Amino acid sequence: KQEVTQIPAALSVPEGENLVLNCSFTDSAIYNLQWFRQDPGKGLTSLLLIQSSQREQTSGRLNASLDKSSGRSTLYIAASQPGDSATYLCAVRPTNTNAGKSTFGDGTTLTVKP
Amino acid sequence: DAGVTQSPTHLIKTRGQQVTLRCSPKSGHDTVSWYQQALGQGPQFIFQYYEEEERQRGNFPDRFSGHQFPNYSSELNVNALLLGDSALYLCASSFGGQGEETQYFGPGTRLLVL
Repeated sequence: KQEVTQIPAALSVPEGENLVLNCSFTDSAIYNLQWFRQDPGKGLTSLLLIQSSQREQTSGRLNASLDKSSGRSTLYIAASQPGDSATYLCAVRPTNTNAGKSTFGDGTTLTVKP
Repeated sequence: DAGVTQSPTHLIKTRGQQVTLRCSPKSGHDTVSWYQQALGQGPQFIFQYYEEEERQRGNFPDRFSGHQFPNYSSELNVNALLLGDSALYLCASSFGGQGEETQYFGPGTRLLVL
């Protein structure tokens, strides 16, 4: 059974700092890994999707990396802003299923202080 | 282009009652997945519908059932509500192929069971 862990559960940084969020998974047989952002009481917004054959993906100030062999992914946020404050979730999609049956971590709640 | 929409946004029920939640997928998508997200946790996969049939199911009891209509919209039904069913219910849509599709999430329905 796939298990996804995100540590730390919460992180507080001053504005302008670069930071890294971590996601680890127990079964390396994955199809892809997706990072989401969730604002309080809201749905999920997709940030980046990394296919199992890829090492990293970039979008603006965000960079996500994937190391299947070690069961790890990181989300790097450059020059953090107060608007980046949210919960960040990673989700792993197993190799033998389609997009729906993803396993999520419990998220890291990020607070960026002005 | 409307994204994934869900209704209602909030709902209050009492134990033992039944509830129906609704989801309309993003334009061009034919697959709908439902997730339950308890406070402070990541979403848990309930089931997925494709071509009006349940294609995959997570570890949820039979009290949770669903339906998909010819226009790809979907309903989630929960019978004999328990206090523990209180959660944010998220709908995600995707395209049913085995390609590199990502999931798009709706804003969710917040269910409170008293």
